[in-house]
Formats: sequence, C-alpha cells, structure tokens
Amino acid sequence: EDQVTQSPEALRLQEGESSSLNCSYTVSGLRGLFWYRQDPGKGPEFLFTLYSAGEEKEKERLKATLTKKESFLHITAPKPEDSATYLCAVLPGRDDKIIFGKGTRLHILP
Amino acid sequence: DAGVIQSPRHEVTEMGQEVTLRCKPISGHDYLFWYRQTMMRGLELLIYFNNNVPIDDSGMPEDRFSAKMPNASFSTLKIQPSEPRDSAVYFCASSPRPGLVTEAFFGQGTRLTVV
Repeated sequence: EDQVTQSPEALRLQEGESSSLNCSYTVSGLRGLFWYRQDPGKGPEFLFTLYSAGEEKEKERLKATLTKKESFLHITAPKPEDSATYLCAVLPGRDDKIIFGKGTRLHILP
Repeated sequence: DAGVIQSPRHEVTEMGQEVTLRCKPISGHDYLFWYRQTMMRGLELLIYFNNNVPIDDSGMPEDRFSAKMPNASFSTLKIQPSEPRDSAVYFCASSPRPGLVTEAFFGQGTRLTVV
C-alpha cells in the first residue's frame, strides 16, 4: 500500500533558526512528489514538484530535496510568516491518486 | 481563472440530515478530487474523476457518501444521512493531467459540522 509519513508532527523554531522537515514515502513507481503549504482556514497551496532522486527546488527560504525513499523541506532563517502546515504528497506510478501525508505544523516564534 | 470554487464555506447540520457540498473546478482541468481533512487522519482522498467519470471511489467511507460529476464544470459530494463523525473540512481539487505530473489546485474547503 502506498504511504506517506511526515515528521515531526509539529515544530517550533525561533526566527532565524534553520531546520528541515521530513517526508518518507513507500510507493510503487514514484512519478512525482509535491510539497504544499496550508494556512489555517485555507486550502493547500502548491510549492514544489520533484520528479527524480537528486533533484532540488528552491523558493525564497525553502529548498526541497528528493532521494529514493524520502524528501526534505529545508527552511533557512525562517520568519514568522513561514508559520503554516507543510504537506507532502506523492503521485504513484500505477494510478492518478495523489496521496498526502498528515503534515508538519511549523510555528516560527518572533 | 478564479480557481477551484467550493460552496458552502461552512455548513452546520443536524444528525440524519442530507448534506450536499459543491465544487466548480478550474476550466480545462481533466481531473477532480474530493478530499476530507481531520486532525487525526490528515487529508484523505475520497474519490477522483477523470473527464467526469469516477475512477476510484475506494476512499469513500461508506454508502452514505456519494459523488457525482454531471459535467466538466460541476461536482457534488452528498452525505445522506449525516452523522457527527462526518464533521471535517472537505476539499475539492482539480488538476490538468496528473499523468503529466502536474500538481492539484485546491479550493478553500467546506467546513462541515454535524451536531
């Protein structure tokens, strides 16, 4: 069964304190891995798509990386406005079901 | 395009009542997904459509749930009868063609409370 596991469930950081969020996946034939950001009361907002191991994508203070078993979302010198839930999702090889992890709730303290 | 539009944004209903959630996907998107989000279980895929045809409904929790897509610009998720454990945020998302590995675009969700 295809599975996505994110850790930690919650993370509190001081402003400027860099860290990484983890997304481990078990999927048959990964076609793509997505990262989303979700603010309270809103729908998930797309951040990145990664297609193959070794690939990296960057956007402002965020960088996503991918290996054959996991993905990391690195956040460098975060600001309070980066506080949100970050969701990881995978698109398996055998069908078009986009499967999500439970997310990491990130809170950046000023 | 205005994005994926869901209605209503909030719904409070009594146990046993029928609830209908509505979704208008982004024009030109071939795929439509219905998800349910709770703190305990995260985002769960309920059902998805390709070109208005239901492809996989294995995530629909039970027969009380049904979904339709009568045309490319409209879909409904119906719960009949509703129960308190159905309380959650329901999201609709659309995607051009996941087969080309494109992301899904989400609506703002419908927060359902069954009392």
